[in-house]
Amino acid sequence: KAGVTQTPRYLIKTRGQQVTLSCSPISGHRSVSWYQQTPGQGLQFLFEYFSETQRNKGNFPGRFSGRQFSNSRSEMNVSTLELGDSALYLCASSSGTLNTEAFFGQGTRLTVV
Amino acid sequence: GIQVEQSPPDLILQEGANSTLRCNFSDSVNNLQWFHQNPWGQLINLFYIPSGTKQNGRLSATTVATERYSLLYISSSQTTDSGVYFCAAPTLSGNTPLVFGKGTRLSVIA
Repeated sequence: KAGVTQTPRYLIKTRGQQVTLSCSPISGHRSVSWYQQTPGQGLQFLFEYFSETQRNKGNFPGRFSGRQFSNSRSEMNVSTLELGDSALYLCASSSGTLNTEAFFGQGTRLTVV
Repeated sequence: GIQVEQSPPDLILQEGANSTLRCNFSDSVNNLQWFHQNPWGQLINLFYIPSGTKQNGRLSATTVATERYSLLYISSSQTTDSGVYFCAAPTLSGNTPLVFGKGTRLSVIA
């Protein structure tokens, strides 16, 4: 059974650009959650998608957005990149029912210069 | 929402030593997970343990939900155990799938 796949693994972007990250969950899983990890703030929840709908949202500005497709793959987009957006972005896959185990992808390391 | 605190923040061990990592949470939990973050950044699942005790090789975990803490035990540590260990739990309302602690950075020296 394939795990959670995130692409790309590494990304370098310039301030002001936008970026799209992709996450393919474990087959059969319907929930995808996104997290940002920085040295200063640790791991913070961005948003969760379930059955193509945003189910929950963390405390991030509107420049951060996402979507989920009918095959449960999810993308997150960050517009007008800032230096502070440099981080490791992790996505988690779960079945989507409450209190089930989440599994993480390898992450996308974004550097904004 | 729930607050998750981990201790100690840093731990240095000689290879072969045992250790206990602690995770305290501020609210009742229906779900708690322990992860090991490898040097490449991936979070590796160690335990899904809302309550009780589980063992997997040299690692074991215990969650005492009524007292709001969980412990991760590492026995006979190896250099490959080095890395950052996180515990995480969801909010009771479910509006945040996982709230993470700040982690324990473990260094095992040969």
